[in-house]
Amino acid sequence: GENVEQHPSTLSVQEGDSAVIKCTYSDSASNYFPWYKQELGKRPQLVIDIRSNVGEKKDQRIAVTLNKTAKHFSLHITETQPEDSAVYFCAASDTGGFKTIFGAGTRLFVKA
Amino acid sequence: DAGVIQSPRHEVTEMGQEVTLRCKPISGHDYLFWYRQTMMRGLELLIYFNNNVPIDDSGMPEDRFSAKMPNASFSTLKIQPSEPRDSAVYFCASSFLGYQETQYFGPGTRLLVL
Repeated sequence: GENVEQHPSTLSVQEGDSAVIKCTYSDSASNYFPWYKQELGKRPQLVIDIRSNVGEKKDQRIAVTLNKTAKHFSLHITETQPEDSAVYFCAASDTGGFKTIFGAGTRLFVKA
Repeated sequence: DAGVIQSPRHEVTEMGQEVTLRCKPISGHDYLFWYRQTMMRGLELLIYFNNNVPIDDSGMPEDRFSAKMPNASFSTLKIQPSEPRDSAVYFCASSFLGYQETQYFGPGTRLLVL
């Protein structure tokens, strides 16, 4: 079955710097890759997602890149702000109705 | 829309007791998911429904767990009997068109089994 690995587990950056979180997946049939943000004590919420027919997607300070050949995708946050501090989860799923498999999460700290 | 609604928000019970968690998905969403989140195991899918029908329950830990969706606006997750290792945050999520679309999570139920 699908396996999603996420790195790093913890990331600390200075406000204004960039943050990059990386994930790899094992099932080449996976073609949908969402990223969720979970603040302490809150529910996960979608940050951005990408489908396998594109290599990059951007939404203001947040971008996601996908390399299907290498089976990895990354979340990029530029000009980080303290409110970006949260746990970020990557996930992968395919059109066959396979489960959405989540990575273990990355705890991002943005220091003011 | 009020979003996905879960109740109770917190539940403290003693080992051996029955626990029932409730979820109301977003109106019009045809997929409903139950997740369990712990520090050790992360976010795990327990079961999901499509149009009120259970599609995949392979994530349900054991026979003590059961889930139902009697109609499009209500689902329950039941644990009987509960054990301390069931302590976790249980999230319900719903989506339109399933895995390939955004899943909207409820606020979660924080369960503590003593």
